[in-house]
Amino acid sequence: KAGVTQTPRYLIKTRGQQVTLSCSPISGHRSVSWYQQTPGQGLQFLFEYFSETQRNKGNFPGRFSGRQFSNSRSEMNVSTLELGDSALYLCASRVGTGNEKLFFGSGTQLSVL
Amino acid sequence: AQTVTQSQPEMSVQEAETVTLSCTYDTSESNYYLFWYKQPPSRQMILVIRQEAYKQQNATENRFSVNFQKAAKSFSLKISDSQLGDTAMYFCACYISQGGSEKLVFGKGTKLTVNP
Repeated sequence: KAGVTQTPRYLIKTRGQQVTLSCSPISGHRSVSWYQQTPGQGLQFLFEYFSETQRNKGNFPGRFSGRQFSNSRSEMNVSTLELGDSALYLCASRVGTGNEKLFFGSGTQLSVL
Repeated sequence: AQTVTQSQPEMSVQEAETVTLSCTYDTSESNYYLFWYKQPPSRQMILVIRQEAYKQQNATENRFSVNFQKAAKSFSLKISDSQLGDTAMYFCACYISQGGSEKLVFGKGTKLTVNP
């Protein structure tokens, strides 16, 4: 079974631009979560989607948004990029809600210049 | 609010020796799960070991074992017979399900280096 796939692996953008990151979960997994990882703040929860609906949301500004498609693939969008958005963005999938086992992808490293 | 604290930013150990990584957590929930994740240079978070809070028996996975002290809210990871491939960032995490909201909270991580 293929693991969680995130694309692209690396991304360089400039301030003010917007970016879209993609995550394909493990086959059969219906829940996708997104995390931001930075050296200073560590891993912070962004949001979780289940069956195309956002279930949980972390404490991030509205510039961070996401969606999930009917095939469970998820995208995360960041608009009006700021330097502080430079981070590793990790996606994790699990079978469904109530199941605590998360499987992570290798992340997208976003650099904002 | 739930918090997870890893007090050792960096640690090193000689190959074949044993090392213990510390983690404390704070939650008011009675039902939760605790995890240790490993993040090698490839960046992928890999689940090392998992512990249900309602189980008193400490979890073990091959060379990895935990010391779960529920009253003290402590959850340390012991790596025996350390190998070079164990070099990575290690994150302690706590999963809580509360009122339809589920959350996985991570510590800041411990960078472990295994020296030959």
